[in-house]
Amino acid sequence: GAGVSQSPSNKVTEKGKDVELRCDPISGHTALYWYRQRLGQGLEFLIYFQGNSAPDKSGLPSDRFSAERTGESVSTLTIQRTQQEDSAVYLCASSFGTYGRSYEQYFGPGTRLTVT
Amino acid sequence: LAKTTQPISMDSYEGQEVNITCSHNNIATNDYITWYQQFPSQGPRFIIQGYKTKVTNEVASLFIPADRKSSTLSLPRVSLSDTAVYYCRVPNAGNMLTFGGGTRLMVKP
Repeated sequence: GAGVSQSPSNKVTEKGKDVELRCDPISGHTALYWYRQRLGQGLEFLIYFQGNSAPDKSGLPSDRFSAERTGESVSTLTIQRTQQEDSAVYLCASSFGTYGRSYEQYFGPGTRLTVT
Repeated sequence: LAKTTQPISMDSYEGQEVNITCSHNNIATNDYITWYQQFPSQGPRFIIQGYKTKVTNEVASLFIPADRKSSTLSLPRVSLSDTAVYYCRVPNAGNMLTFGGGTRLMVKP
């Protein structure tokens, strides 16, 4: 069956450029999450969506980061004016629900972003 | 906030049982505890989840004491392929589903 997919798998961009990262969750999953993982580090929560709304944006590191979700499906994470410290793997996950029952999250393979 | 604390790294040998303990002192009443495994260049994947006492599946066991302020992931008879990072996760206030720093398990021959 189809899992969570992310595109592109790798992205190399120049400092100052904007990038868009895409996530296609598992069909029927209402919750979608974005994480950042720097080399050798743990997962850093960025934002999550319940349906198309984002109740918690507190993890976004700066106003250069934004995300949207449409049709309770695909989500896009946009990073404007990229900086070298943005270089990381960006992971997307989806689940049936969120708080309380702690529904299992299914992760995509990630997008490796390199800012030169 | 329900923060988690777990050892940064552990070493073991093939065939041994490995126990990784995670502390989560501020866990909320309704929170479940979930453990994930992550191999290099892959996203984390679910291993096991529990609320209290003991849960066992084909991969691992999870032990949760009565106060639920900690949990222990038990991997029986590890092999080289169990070398990975293991994350303990609990929800916290504001629905921010935090992953801790993880425990890097190295299984040696």
